[in-house]
Amino acid sequence: DSGVTQTPKHLITATGQRVTLRCSPRSGDLSVYWYQQSLDQGLQFLIQYYNGEERAKGNILERFSAQQFPDLHSELNLSSLELGDSALYFCASSHTGDTEAFFGQGTRLTVV
Amino acid sequence: GENVEQHPSTLSVQEGDSAVIKCTYSDSASNYFPWYKQELGKRPQLIIDIRSNVGEKKDQRIAVTLNKTAKHFSLHITETQPEDSAVYFCAASIDSGYALNFGKGTSLLVTP
Repeated sequence: DSGVTQTPKHLITATGQRVTLRCSPRSGDLSVYWYQQSLDQGLQFLIQYYNGEERAKGNILERFSAQQFPDLHSELNLSSLELGDSALYFCASSHTGDTEAFFGQGTRLTVV
Repeated sequence: GENVEQHPSTLSVQEGDSAVIKCTYSDSASNYFPWYKQELGKRPQLIIDIRSNVGEKKDQRIAVTLNKTAKHFSLHITETQPEDSAVYFCAASIDSGYALNFGKGTSLLVTP
């Protein structure tokens, strides 16, 4: 167990819908990262938050947004879902000075 | 932005043989190079990492080498065992605490 908790584990939804994925980082970790893993694209960085502020943005679509709350948990919002958004979404967290980013177990999103 | 290429995409070896996975990166500002192992249906887990001020690092049967001039780094696994079978991802980043740019992964199969 990495200490990073993601909910839900699985999510099935229809095209055009909106979903929210939740991540609780390890205790004390200020950084939260979101990654998308699909079969053909590997692990793609979406966005990073550090202590409530957006720190870096990767290949995140405009239909996607995220935030980190004062208690440091983070949510990734995916809207106007398309079939191609079906993927495994990972959250990771790290502490200042640590070398390792710890990954959660992921949320498997299926858009039908 | 950073582009990480990883080869081969699949690798099959006999138990006891060595396995080598190679990665190249494009951004000379990258200084941190971790390797993650992902078993089927599980989260990525860090197995070893190296920083740009070091040319080689070993941890038991695993070693990583870095050639910063050529912008490539490699993972070496010796005396492979069936439990080494997994997908291995290389990544590059400015430093720990920053977003990781991953290669597309190498599926390693170790046959008894």
